[in-house]
Amino acid sequence: KAGVTQTPRYLIKTRGQQVTLSCSPISGHRSVSWYQQTPGQGLQFLFEYFSETQRNKGNFPGRFSGRQFSNSRSEMNVSTLELGDSALYLCASSFGTPQFAGELFFGEGSRLTVL
Amino acid sequence: GENVEQHPSTLSVQEGDSAVIKCTYSDSASNYFPWYKQELGKRPQLIIDIRSNVGEKKDQRIAVTLNKTAKHFSLHITETQPEDSAVYFCAASNTDKLIFGTGTRLQVFP
Repeated sequence: KAGVTQTPRYLIKTRGQQVTLSCSPISGHRSVSWYQQTPGQGLQFLFEYFSETQRNKGNFPGRFSGRQFSNSRSEMNVSTLELGDSALYLCASSFGTPQFAGELFFGEGSRLTVL
Repeated sequence: GENVEQHPSTLSVQEGDSAVIKCTYSDSASNYFPWYKQELGKRPQLIIDIRSNVGEKKDQRIAVTLNKTAKHFSLHITETQPEDSAVYFCAASNTDKLIFGTGTRLQVFP
């Protein structure tokens, strides 16, 4: 069974630009969560989607947004990029809520560099 | 909102020794506590988890303990091996999101 797929794997942008990252979850998984990983800050929760609905959002500015499609694929968008947005963005899928479904399956991430 | 603190940030041990990583959480409603291991350049993967109705869980050389009263939980790795070298993340969940700690970089020296 195919794992979680994230595209693109690497990208370089300049300040002020916007970026869209894509995540295809494991077949049958309806929950998709996004995390930002930076050295020293660990995995910071961005948002979680289930059946096309955003159920939870982390403490990130409104420049960070996302959506989920009917096939459970998800995208996240960052507008007006800042240098501090440089990070590895990880997507994770699961059958449902973490407390009930348990394991999150992570993708390999999209490494964003903002110059 | 939920906050998870993790200590230490780095840990170096000799092969064969034990390693202990500790986490505290803020939301007393949290009821699911997984641990993830992330090897260099790879994705995080679940290694063990525990739910709030259990105080301890073991899986071969790894174990997790939970103290709900004190709101802290710990990962114990015995007989460490070089392949245990990685970053370990604790996490806590009370609803639809999983909040992670900042990670512990474990180095096991042969």
